[in-house]
Amino acid sequence: AQSVTQPDIHITVSEGASLELRCNYSYGATPYLFWYVQSPGQGLQLLLKYFSGDTLVQGIKGFEAEFKRSQSSFNLRKPSVHWSDAAEYFCAVGLNQAGTALIFGKGTTLSVSS
Amino acid sequence: GAVVSQHPSWVICKSGTSVKIECRSLDFQATTMFWYRQFPKQSLMLMATSNEGSKATYEQGVEKDKFLINHASLTLSTLTVTSAHPEDSSFYICSAGALAGRVNEQFFGPGTRLTVL
Repeated sequence: AQSVTQPDIHITVSEGASLELRCNYSYGATPYLFWYVQSPGQGLQLLLKYFSGDTLVQGIKGFEAEFKRSQSSFNLRKPSVHWSDAAEYFCAVGLNQAGTALIFGKGTTLSVSS
Repeated sequence: GAVVSQHPSWVICKSGTSVKIECRSLDFQATTMFWYRQFPKQSLMLMATSNEGSKATYEQGVEKDKFLINHASLTLSTLTVTSAHPEDSSFYICSAGALAGRVNEQFFGPGTRLTVL
């Protein structure tokens, strides 16, 4: 069965420092991979997605993620964190099959210190 | 494009009443819609998959008689929480599936916060 693991429950980063949020997945084939961000009380905002092709994916708000098949990972990175990036981040996996839902990791809470 | 709306965005109701939440795909047709539930500080858990014109498929542990799902058209799915109780208080999020090219992609609504008193 598919699964998504986000090993870090909570991360604190200084403003201006770099960020990497980890995501590992378990699936027999190459899944579709997503990163979402959620601010308190808000819905999900898609940061970026990977379907195929270039394994380094650029997203919104200066985020990028790299798909590494050998490590079954899809880590999210940002070179310089802003205070407004403080939020909950979810990694999700989907199948290349119509009518199938996404499976979400448990999320990583990002705090930004000044 | 690919906008999904939910209504209401928040609702407070008394215990024992029923609440209906609507999920609409505004600019595309969604053969499949999904309903997720999110408890505070937790991840999204899939409740059910809704296909237009057919019965919803519920995940294990989700009571289909309590969470009624209707997908009457390609742009509208509704979730009705029947005889709501405080433990049903949660954030409910829908998503609509669309075939972006040949890729199965989903678009999420903004969520509905339900508080049962």
